[in-house]
Amino acid sequence: GESVGLHLPTLSVQEGDNSIINCAYSNSASDYFIWYKQESGKGPQFIIDIRSNMDKRQGQRVTVLLNKTVKHLSLQIAATQPGDSAVYFCAERWAGNQFYFGTGTSLTVIP
Amino acid sequence: DSGVTQTPKHLITATGQRVTLRCSPRSGDLSVYWYQQSLDQGLQFLIQYYNGEERAKGNILERFSAQQFPDLHSELNLSSLELGDSALYFCASSPQWGDEQFFGPGTRLTVL
Repeated sequence: GESVGLHLPTLSVQEGDNSIINCAYSNSASDYFIWYKQESGKGPQFIIDIRSNMDKRQGQRVTVLLNKTVKHLSLQIAATQPGDSAVYFCAERWAGNQFYFGTGTSLTVIP
Repeated sequence: DSGVTQTPKHLITATGQRVTLRCSPRSGDLSVYWYQQSLDQGLQFLIQYYNGEERAKGNILERFSAQQFPDLHSELNLSSLELGDSALYFCASSPQWGDEQFFGPGTRLTVL
């Protein structure tokens, strides 16, 4: 029979283009946020983080933007490469040490 | 390679059985987190230990329990298994608590 799974938002981009992945978080008291990348068959891998006292942080080819007013987080990937194809999760930290993850976005890079 | 190890990689068992999943954190990390990732629920936080003590509980069923040993490795015990317990179980570690977590490769549990 047909399997039922989580319907992830999907994003397809051309190689070399910029990607923007969005995340709405739930707790206005969350003070720390992380973006993770998960490739098929592997565990989540840290990409970049941001604390709630910041609104932007840049890494190598990635930028995270935080808008606390609307509880929104975004991940921008510059010059997207085939190796960037994966599921991307945002995670928010509650009460100092509990992390809650979003459902994820599946990114496909078209060569 | 994150430095976090999990065993076994795959586990197939029957309903009603009990299994133990093992996790070794990165060298020097004191916190261990357990997560369940299923097809219909995404990544769910189960429980966290810090230096041997339970620090936080998430959506962990009463049939599940965990502990962290003096050498800082952790075990997740799943009992009275049901079909719906089939999932990937990830362990993650961090140096203290509340900071960046490093994930292991996961254990895929299949309950038949």
